[in-house]
Amino acid sequence: DAGITQSPRHKVTETGTPVTLRCHQTENHRYMYWYRQDPGHGLRLIHYSYGVKDTDKGEVSDGYSVSRSKTEDFLLTLESATSSQTSVYFCAISDSGASYGYTFGSGTRLTVV
Amino acid sequence: TQLLEQSPQFLSIQEGENLTVYCNSSSVFSSLQWYRQEPGEGPVLLVTVVTGGEVKKLKRLTFQFGDARKDSSLHITAAQPGDTGLYLCAGVKRSQGNLIFGKGTKLSVKP
Repeated sequence: DAGITQSPRHKVTETGTPVTLRCHQTENHRYMYWYRQDPGHGLRLIHYSYGVKDTDKGEVSDGYSVSRSKTEDFLLTLESATSSQTSVYFCAISDSGASYGYTFGSGTRLTVV
Repeated sequence: TQLLEQSPQFLSIQEGENLTVYCNSSSVFSSLQWYRQEPGEGPVLLVTVVTGGEVKKLKRLTFQFGDARKDSSLHITAAQPGDTGLYLCAGVKRSQGNLIFGKGTKLSVKP
């Protein structure tokens, strides 16, 4: 297996509460990414990291923040969850950037009520 | 505007039939990838193509990158129920570092 795990797998939370999703890898890969997948929109990049403490925004970063204090962990925080953030969230890792492909985790299904 | 357009969006066929899925863009990509995703799981990389005109084969799957590196196709020969899933194409533009995904083709192969 690729050595990437996401937690939790499922979460239901209330509007206005903060939520943190975790991505953990055992591959020592430099690059880590957070995507969300929604019907009609496909996979959209939220934030990504190119090293410890090095992160940048993606296409749909509003309302989200990330942190990477160790190579193996990449955290995604919804500062104040809204119903529009109900989605399936995927973490991905890569050793050499985008050109040769990503390995994805199994996803976190988040419902904001 | 969707940078990568996939067609068809949905495809339902019988076991044993052949099919082709398309991924088109007006932009040039330095590389293009195909993924397959099953329900409840993340996408899994099938292939990466980097050279215009490149053809790669993976058992019954044939992938082609257009000469101008703006489009790609995935052809499946003698489809099987195990081929059922969401097929995603994704490209890397030289001006951007990250993968851009199409919306996918949902394939259902019936026994």
